[in-house]
Amino acid sequence: DTEVTQTPKHLVMGMTNKKSLKCEQHMGHRAMYWYKQKAKKPPELMFVYSYEKLSINESVPSRFSPECPNSSLLNLHLHALQPEDSALYLCASRRQGSETDTQYFGPGTRLTVL
Amino acid sequence: TQLLEQSPQFLSIQEGENLTVYCNSSSVFSSLQWYRQEPGEGPVLLVTVVTGGEVKKLKRLTFQFGDARKDSSLHITAAQPGDTGLYLCAGASFNKFYFGSGTKLNVKP
Repeated sequence: DTEVTQTPKHLVMGMTNKKSLKCEQHMGHRAMYWYKQKAKKPPELMFVYSYEKLSINESVPSRFSPECPNSSLLNLHLHALQPEDSALYLCASRRQGSETDTQYFGPGTRLTVL
Repeated sequence: TQLLEQSPQFLSIQEGENLTVYCNSSSVFSSLQWYRQEPGEGPVLLVTVVTGGEVKKLKRLTFQFGDARKDSSLHITAAQPGDTGLYLCAGASFNKFYFGSGTKLNVKP
């Protein structure tokens, strides 16, 4: 099983709203990632959690707030977003081993900020 | 800094043709992945290559990792319309994965 789930699938929010994106994996992976992807572009790294601790923040604005409640869950809290934040938000988990080192992506959340 | 250069950026071919996508870097990666992505969906893993010089086959797709683990190629034989999509390579280095710019493939029936 290599499934990463994300909810919601689509989200429309105003610039004053507060919302959260959720990501879940049950593969026992200890590293999880948030990416932002604009149309026809590769994913851009936002945050990396390793063993439930934030290890990388790619200078993301504070209106994006990640949270890792446990090893299976990853949230991204959104507040006071801008229209330019509209994008596909992807979660991924990483399987590491001597013969493999792979990210598995969720289906993404399509976010529209009005 | 764009660590991975992917080419070509766009490719439009007829069904049945062969094609090769390249992913090049001056950096060494511990592994390299190839993904295919449909619009509005998450990238789907095709393959991971780990060993320099490694060749993996997945039906009509052949993946190669360079001897120095700096570059990779994806070759598709007898392309089909179902192969249409965005192909992404990603190299792993420490805690990060570095993506190529992507290859948008369109296979016409």
